[in-house]
Amino acid sequence: KNEVEQSPQNLTAQEGEFITINCSYSVGISALHWLQQHPGGGIVSLFMLSSGKKKHGRLIATINIQEKHSSLHITASHPRDSAVYICAAPRDTGNQFYFGTGTSLTVIP
Amino acid sequence: NAGVMQNPRHLVRRRGQEARLRCSPMKGHSHVYWYRQLPEEGLKFMVYLQKENIIDESGMPKERFSAEFPKEGPSILRIQQVVRGDSAAYFCASSPRQGSISGNTIYFGEGSWLTVV
Repeated sequence: KNEVEQSPQNLTAQEGEFITINCSYSVGISALHWLQQHPGGGIVSLFMLSSGKKKHGRLIATINIQEKHSSLHITASHPRDSAVYICAAPRDTGNQFYFGTGTSLTVIP
Repeated sequence: NAGVMQNPRHLVRRRGQEARLRCSPMKGHSHVYWYRQLPEEGLKFMVYLQKENIIDESGMPKERFSAEFPKEGPSILRIQQVVRGDSAAYFCASSPRQGSISGNTIYFGEGSWLTVV
């Protein structure tokens, strides 16, 4: 069993839909990262959060440390949101991450 | 302020050749991490370096792979005698301080795609 599990693995949405990607982890962490990997492959760090909620534009990330669960929401989705979204939990040393396998999102116009 | 710079973006090597991937961290960052992403798989940690020191190489294959981060210049991930299974995307990341326990954001480069033919 992976330390970090994401769902769904693949997601297709119509433009404008509200999207939720879930991440559950089994390790004790103090923070969790959400990453975005676009076609062509570059990785961008979207959020690093340790409690509550963070918002950046149409992206919202929430985390519940007690339940070991985080969600990434995209409001009013757009085709340019099409990417792979990865959640990552730092290992206890902080040097490494446990990575989820990613959620491949396709937003159709 | 340039981000994490990796080069080359794409590299093709024949089996048995050497591959060298370079990573220049963000300005002011002295901690560098290398990750590998095999086709259809997630990111996997390889090595964590500070200037002139390898701090954690627990994710590095035991043979043919080495990494360095000299006092001057970029970090280098070196793969000797490449095999087809080394074909992957190699990502570098940097942070100003160790890891992310204290909440440091880690910045990723755009990756280097190695193809072994």
